[in-house]
Amino acid sequence: AQTVTQSQPEMSVQEAETVTLSCTYDTSESDYYLFWYKQPPSRQMILVIRQEAYKQQNATENRFSVNFQKAAKSFSLKISDSQLGDAAMYFCAYRSAGEKGGSEKLVFGKGMKLTVNP
Amino acid sequence: NAGVTQTPKFRILKIGQSMTLQCTQDMNHNYMYWYRQDPGMGLKLIYYSVGAGITDKGEVPNGYNVSRSTTEDFPLRLELAAPSQTSVYFCASSYPKQPQHFGDGTRLSIL
Repeated sequence: AQTVTQSQPEMSVQEAETVTLSCTYDTSESDYYLFWYKQPPSRQMILVIRQEAYKQQNATENRFSVNFQKAAKSFSLKISDSQLGDAAMYFCAYRSAGEKGGSEKLVFGKGMKLTVNP
Repeated sequence: NAGVTQTPKFRILKIGQSMTLQCTQDMNHNYMYWYRQDPGMGLKLIYYSVGAGITDKGEVPNGYNVSRSTTEDFPLRLELAAPSQTSVYFCASSYPKQPQHFGDGTRLSIL
């Protein structure tokens, strides 16, 4: 079974600075997707960024980018120019690329609380 | 554009009571999911459905039941509420191989 580990339960960053959130995962599969979700106090689950394992190029979405190291099974999220609105829980998640609907379930890490200091 | 709608948003149940958490989506997604999120944890899959009339168990199905009679609706049933089922419940939907869209969650407390 796949597992996702977020070893840092909390981090803080100064507004306008850069922070990196770490995530490692374990799988025997070669084709899969990785995601970062943001959960603000409103409880919504908001997709931040996703990475297809077969793509060597790291995904970017505006101020958010990832460092995907497939061999090391590492998937970190970098937030540049941090804003107060970035404060939230961040969850790393894994999804198999198999054909059946059940294999499209998301496997989540425990999450990490990010605080942004003004 | 409603997306995934969950009702109720909050509920308190007594031990042994039953209830149904409602989930409906207006995006014509084939796949729907129920997750639970315990304090300090990530989400865990309870049940999922790949289309109307088809459901299957996820990682933590005990104590729950689901049905999928239409593409839009995927209700989650708790038959005999137990304190261990106190959690936040999320419904999600997606097209195959596309990111899941989540509802806003239902906070359920069982006392």
